[in-house]
Amino acid sequence: ETGVTQTPRHLVMGMTNKKSLKCEQHLGHNAMYWYKQSAKKPLELMFVYSLEERVENNSVPSRFSPECPNSSHLFLHLHTLQPEDSALYLCASSWEWGTDTQYFGPGTRLTVL
Amino acid sequence: GENVEQHPSTLSVQEGDSAVIKCTYSDSASNYFPWYKQELGKGPQLIIDIRSNVGEKKDQRIAVTLNKTAKHFSLHITETQPEDSAVYFCAASIGSGNTGKLIFGQGTTLQVKP
Repeated sequence: ETGVTQTPRHLVMGMTNKKSLKCEQHLGHNAMYWYKQSAKKPLELMFVYSLEERVENNSVPSRFSPECPNSSHLFLHLHTLQPEDSALYLCASSWEWGTDTQYFGPGTRLTVL
Repeated sequence: GENVEQHPSTLSVQEGDSAVIKCTYSDSASNYFPWYKQELGKGPQLIIDIRSNVGEKKDQRIAVTLNKTAKHFSLHITETQPEDSAVYFCAASIGSGNTGKLIFGQGTTLQVKP
């Protein structure tokens, strides 16, 4: 285990639903990340938080809303998603933001119907 | 924009043979190059990384080489075993200093046949 946990592991939702993904890291890191992993595409960085402050927002649609209440927890709130948003959503953390080693969680497999 | 190209997309080798995966990057300021292994149902796990001040790094059966002039780096796995079968991702930092972010390659699916 990497010390980064994600819940739920699988999620199926309709386009009108509202759901949240949760990530928790037990490593004492200061930076946390959300990535989207789609089939046959590179990992796409979505958001970065450093010391609970958002430092990167990679042109992500507003139907994805991140929240970082403290340095150990990261959420991704979802609403009015599209079928093309179906993917594996990965959370990662690192000691500091940037080129420190990132440790990934197992991901949440999201299916939007 | 900045990108990382990874080849091949799939690689099949016989157990005991070597496997080589290559990546090229576009940002000459990149200074950190990690490699991740992703097994089915799991998130990517770091297996080795290299920084721009060295040209080669080795950890048991895994080695990474870096050619900054040509802007490419490679992962070498020797004496492959079935448990090496997974998807491997390279990444390169972009941006300067420690505020750079990682750009990932498209991934290589490695199959090691027993």
